[in-house]
Amino acid sequence: ETGVTQSPTHLIKTRGQQVTLRCSSQSGHNTVSWYQQALGQGPQFIFQYYREEENGRGNFPPRFSGLQFPNYSSELNVNALELDDSALYLCASSSGTEGASPLHFGNGTRLTVT
Amino acid sequence: AQSVTQLDSQVPVFEEAPVELRCNYSSSVSVYLFWYVQYPNQGLQLLLKYLSGSTLVESINGFEAEFNKSQTSFHLRKPSVHISDTAEYFCAVRRKNSGGYQKVTFGTGTKLQVIP
Repeated sequence: ETGVTQSPTHLIKTRGQQVTLRCSSQSGHNTVSWYQQALGQGPQFIFQYYREEENGRGNFPPRFSGLQFPNYSSELNVNALELDDSALYLCASSSGTEGASPLHFGNGTRLTVT
Repeated sequence: AQSVTQLDSQVPVFEEAPVELRCNYSSSVSVYLFWYVQYPNQGLQLLLKYLSGSTLVESINGFEAEFNKSQTSFHLRKPSVHISDTAEYFCAVRRKNSGGYQKVTFGTGTKLQVIP
């Protein structure tokens, strides 16, 4: 069973640039969610995708957008990067949308904005 | 809306000593409760979960947590810690009957440092 994989592991961008982070969900999982974990904080929910559609969003501006593909992999796009976007971005997958289904996390992408 | 409070940001404890990591939550609706562990430079791993039934839940590596509805708490305990338990621990909640919406609300984490 392949777990959740994220790429790249580290990334350095300049303020104002755009970035795309990628996630391959665990085999058999059709739901993907993204979290932002700032230094010293708990993860914050960005959004969730189920069957290629966004079906839940946290308090993040529209410059945070995403996609889910037919194979359930996913992308997180961030436009007009700001210094405060520096964080660990975590992708999590689960089977179905039942609330009791545990999330399986990848190791994250560490984004640094300078 | 839900919120999770982990009052202790860091907990140092000697090896083989007991430990308790505190978690309190606030929610106007019924929730599922989780503990996740994060080792350095890694993502989060599910440690244990409370869905329903017995209020005491256990993990395979000796941790346990007890759901206390009246005190809205879900404290994590281990009777004897090992060096390998050094990590950051996150308490989390998710709404029941969320209609497919899987937002998980996390606390700010507690860093457990096991001292040899």
